[in-house]
Amino acid sequence: KQEVTQIPAALSVPEGENLVLNCSFTDSAIYNLQWFRQDPGKGLTSLLLIQSSQREQTSGRLNASLDKSSGRSTLYIAASQPGDSATYLCAVRGNTDKLIFGTGTRLQVFP
Amino acid sequence: DAMVIQNPRYQVTQFGKPVTLSCSQTLNHNVMYWYQQKSSQAPKLLFHYYDKDFNNEADTPDNFQSRRPNTSFCFLDIRSPGLGDAAMYLCATSRDPGGPYEQYFGPGTRLTVT
Repeated sequence: KQEVTQIPAALSVPEGENLVLNCSFTDSAIYNLQWFRQDPGKGLTSLLLIQSSQREQTSGRLNASLDKSSGRSTLYIAASQPGDSATYLCAVRGNTDKLIFGTGTRLQVFP
Repeated sequence: DAMVIQNPRYQVTQFGKPVTLSCSQTLNHNVMYWYQQKSSQAPKLLFHYYDKDFNNEADTPDNFQSRRPNTSFCFLDIRSPGLGDAAMYLCATSRDPGGPYEQYFGPGTRLTVT
């Protein structure tokens, strides 16, 4: 059974710092991995999608990497801003229809 | 813009009073999903439709039902809401099941049970 873990559960950093969020999964047989952002009381916004054949994806200040064999992904946020404050969720898609989510990392960027 | 729309955004219902949540999509995707997310927890899949084929998760309570009258719309019916059903309900779509396809989420409906 696939399990997804995110570390740390919470993170507080000053504005301008570069930071790394971690996601690990137990079954490496995945099709893809998605990183989402969730603001308090809101739905999920997809940030990046990495297919199993890819090593990384970039969007603006965000870079996500995938090491399928070791069951790990990282989300790198460059030059963090207060507007980046949110919960970040990773989710993997295996050979079934569903996404398996981690419990998220709650990020706070203070001015 | 093509998108996933959920209505209402906030729903308050009374204990035991049936409630229906709505999801629509303009992406023309084959698959529609319903997730339940309780506070500080990961989203949990309740069920999904692949076209008209309904797929229920094994641990989804019988109290939860779903209807998909056409490609664009999907409804979540909670027959007798309990206090434990208060949560954010998220609708998502995907072009096809399995494979490399991305899931697109709506803004969610926050359900309060009084």
